[in-house]
Amino acid sequence: DAGVIQSPRHEVTEMGQEVTLRCKPISGHNSLFWYRQTMMRGLELLIYFNNNVPIDDSGMPEDRFSAKMPNASFSTLKIQPSEPRDSAVYFCASSGDLYGYTFGSGTRLTVV
Amino acid sequence: AQSVAQPEDQVNVAEGNPLTVKCTYSVSGNPYLFWYVQYPNRGLQFLLKYITGDNLVKGSYGFEAEFNKSQTSFHLKKPSALVSDSALYFCAVSVLLKSSGDKLTFGTGTRLAVRP
Repeated sequence: DAGVIQSPRHEVTEMGQEVTLRCKPISGHNSLFWYRQTMMRGLELLIYFNNNVPIDDSGMPEDRFSAKMPNASFSTLKIQPSEPRDSAVYFCASSGDLYGYTFGSGTRLTVV
Repeated sequence: AQSVAQPEDQVNVAEGNPLTVKCTYSVSGNPYLFWYVQYPNRGLQFLLKYITGDNLVKGSYGFEAEFNKSQTSFHLKKPSALVSDSALYFCAVSVLLKSSGDKLTFGTGTRLAVRP
């Protein structure tokens, strides 16, 4: 098993541009989570899905952020328009109930 | 609401000495407890979990943790620290909600520094 796969690993973009982060969860896992990690705020849960349905998006910072999970093997996190304060490492994780999470390697986003 | 507290931002220990990273939790119901480790420029990696049964849980890389229900704690321990254990450690708690999957709540993390 290749684990949770995130792409791209690094993204540098200009303020105002649209950014799309991608995640492929582990096959058979029914929950998917998007986290953001910064030095100032630590690890923040943005949104999570269960069986492809968004369950809790209360952590999404504002309307510029959106997430989708069109099927069990793919999810996207989109930021439009991006701002410098969105610079962070974004992690995707998947879970198969009671077994904890498996995290991807993250996408380091830099907005200049 | 569930929460996790890691009272120490950093723990310093000499190589070969025992280490403890503290964690306390608050949940309604039976907790499921986890420890994760994060090395620089990497994602979080699972170390160990407590679901039920024996209060002493053994995990990866020689780590163990003890579930103490009366003190609502789940401290991470290792008898002999290695320099390579230096990393950021996260404690997490979950209460399984069958209708919506399990949502882990993470602590703020404790940075472990092991000096040679």
